[in-house]
Amino acid sequence: GAGVSQSPSNKVTEKGKDVELRCDPISGHTALYWYRQSLGQGLEFLIYFQGNSAPDKSGLPSDRFSAERTGGSVSTLTIQRTQQEDSAVYLCASSRVPRSYNEQFFGPGTRLTVL
Amino acid sequence: QKEVEQNSGPLSVPEGAIASLNCTYSDRVSQSFFWYRQYSGKSPELIMSIYSNGDKEDGRFTAQLNKASQYVSLLIRDSQPSDSATYLCAVNPRGRKGISNFGNEKLTFGTGTRLTIIP
Repeated sequence: GAGVSQSPSNKVTEKGKDVELRCDPISGHTALYWYRQSLGQGLEFLIYFQGNSAPDKSGLPSDRFSAERTGGSVSTLTIQRTQQEDSAVYLCASSRVPRSYNEQFFGPGTRLTVL
Repeated sequence: QKEVEQNSGPLSVPEGAIASLNCTYSDRVSQSFFWYRQYSGKSPELIMSIYSNGDKEDGRFTAQLNKASQYVSLLIRDSQPSDSATYLCAVNPRGRKGISNFGNEKLTFGTGTRLTIIP
């Protein structure tokens, strides 16, 4: 079956602009996660959705970051007034919690470059 | 102390040998453990998960878990050049089968070990 999909695959933007990143999870997966990975760094958790609600937003680095999920499916991560330190690969993952051990499957990622 | 620690490597192993990757974690109540493989420029790919003490084998891969020592490892037998990648250890503090633990479902990742298989 289809895996997690993300769009765009690459995004180059100017400092101060807003960007939207999209994630479409595996069909039937109720949980959705956003992480980011900076060059040479580990994966950093951003936010977790169960259905349309976000029980854990603890990883969002500032109020410029927000995310929503509609219909228990597609999620959008929005970064307002982008800064150069926002440059990273943004990864989305999904899992079939609670009917699994929370095995998370990742999409291909969106590479964000802020000039 | 980092929550999940891995030796960053690089770890070089001759083709056909056994590659051994190690990971320690700090949260004693952690229940679910995962190994991901990440090729350069690609996203992480789940290759093994383990939840109980002992060994779990899948093809050339064996995951080993010792909760008392807070230690999880990945062995790759008959290493191939295609195994060259960064291997990420991930821990879910409260993942339990059949039980939803809303509020703590994130995975905590180590920084990864870069493995190179030498032909």
